Amino acid sequence: TQLLEQSPQFLSIQEGENLTVYCNSSSVFSSLQWYRQEPGEGPVLLVTVVTGGEVKKLKRLTFQFGDARKDSSLHITAAQPGDTGLYLCAGDNTGTASKLTFGTGTRLQVTL
Amino acid sequence: DAGVIQSPRHEVTEMGQEVTLRCKPISGHNSLFWYRQTMMRGLELLIYFNNNVPIDDSGMPEDRFSAKMPNASFSTLKIQPSEPRDSAVYFCASSPRTGAGNTIYFGEGSWLTVV
Repeated sequence: TQLLEQSPQFLSIQEGENLTVYCNSSSVFSSLQWYRQEPGEGPVLLVTVVTGGEVKKLKRLTFQFGDARKDSSLHITAAQPGDTGLYLCAGDNTGTASKLTFGTGTRLQVTL
Repeated sequence: DAGVIQSPRHEVTEMGQEVTLRCKPISGHNSLFWYRQTMMRGLELLIYFNNNVPIDDSGMPEDRFSAKMPNASFSTLKIQPSEPRDSAVYFCASSPRTGAGNTIYFGEGSWLTVV
């Protein structure tokens, strides 16, 4: 069974701070996705990274895929209360994105 | 455009009762997924369909669980008989295709409590 471990599990920070969430596995993935889930809703896709070493930016969010395609990180600059939610990484090793393995999740709370 | 629509949003049922969860995928999407989310196990894939055909049901926990997709616009996940350990949020999701970079769209979930 492939496991995707995320760290930290919980993070409570103040508005304006920076943070990094990590997603690690011993398995190689053909692609990796990051989702954000808000209370009472389903996960929403933020980004997909495919190439080892790839870096993608989405406004204040920066995503990186490890060179060996086993790990990934999400960095948020100047966090805002709207960033609050559960962040999930999900790995795919089928090449079809049909059988995703989801990470353990990082619950982020950003306060004023 | 309407997203993935699930019903019911919330259900409380007694142990032993049959539970049926329903899903309408986004029109035109070829793949449909059923996921389960719990605090202990996180988000797990139960089964997925491609063009209405079940492709992989290895995540279905046991014979009490069954899923059908009679047409491109409707799917059900049935639990019979239900047990307290089935309490979870069940998500239906759909995607327009398969392949790297494919986007999966989740519904809002069906919150199931079995007492």
